[in-house]
Amino acid sequence: DGGITQSPKYLFRKEGQNVTLSCEQNLNHDAMYWYRQDPGQGLRLIYYSQIVNDFQKGDIAEGYSVSREKKESFPLTVTSAQKNPTAFYLCATAGPSTDTQYFGPGTRLTVL
Amino acid sequence: SQQGEEDPQALSIQEGENATMNCSYKTSINNLQWYRQNSGRGLVHLILIRSNEREKHSGRLRVTLDTSKKSSSLLITASRAADTASYFCALPDSNYQLIWGAGTKLIIKP
Repeated sequence: DGGITQSPKYLFRKEGQNVTLSCEQNLNHDAMYWYRQDPGQGLRLIYYSQIVNDFQKGDIAEGYSVSREKKESFPLTVTSAQKNPTAFYLCATAGPSTDTQYFGPGTRLTVL
Repeated sequence: SQQGEEDPQALSIQEGENATMNCSYKTSINNLQWYRQNSGRGLVHLILIRSNEREKHSGRLRVTLDTSKKSSSLLITASRAADTASYFCALPDSNYQLIWGAGTKLIIKP
């Protein structure tokens, strides 16, 4: 999991609440990504950021929001508009001129 | 659209045996990557193979790429209990973002 931390490890949310998942990296990587993983499935891209103060929607951005105010941080907010947010959320980074991604340990979000 | 599909979905073998899993895709690629995920953890990069490469090794791992058949295989030799994990292939799409398959769940029986 290297120099990428995600917190909390487990998160419980009541319906109608917004929650924010933290992702911090000390790899000095420009690119950061948020993925969602459902049981028995692959990763789906929510948002990504190639540079500070800029980010792009992925395949399933609806109901999520992000910010990239610092190179080291890429928090993900799961809003009440996300209809089925229970899932495992993974943050990843990639350095310049590399296709390899490095992953954090993940946050498991459960809606009560 | 680009998508990697792993086969088989699940594989259970005895410790010491070799494990082979495959990834097929639809459109031409610049590279293909394999990652491992232990249960409830983040993914770990294993190998990247470029379109002009046919085979690549890393320890007990061997990856092959057949661009004519649009497929890749990951071979784990002399499997160990610690190899129990899910294995994913990932391919770049037209925006250079990775598209992930659903993975092969590998169980190594002692």
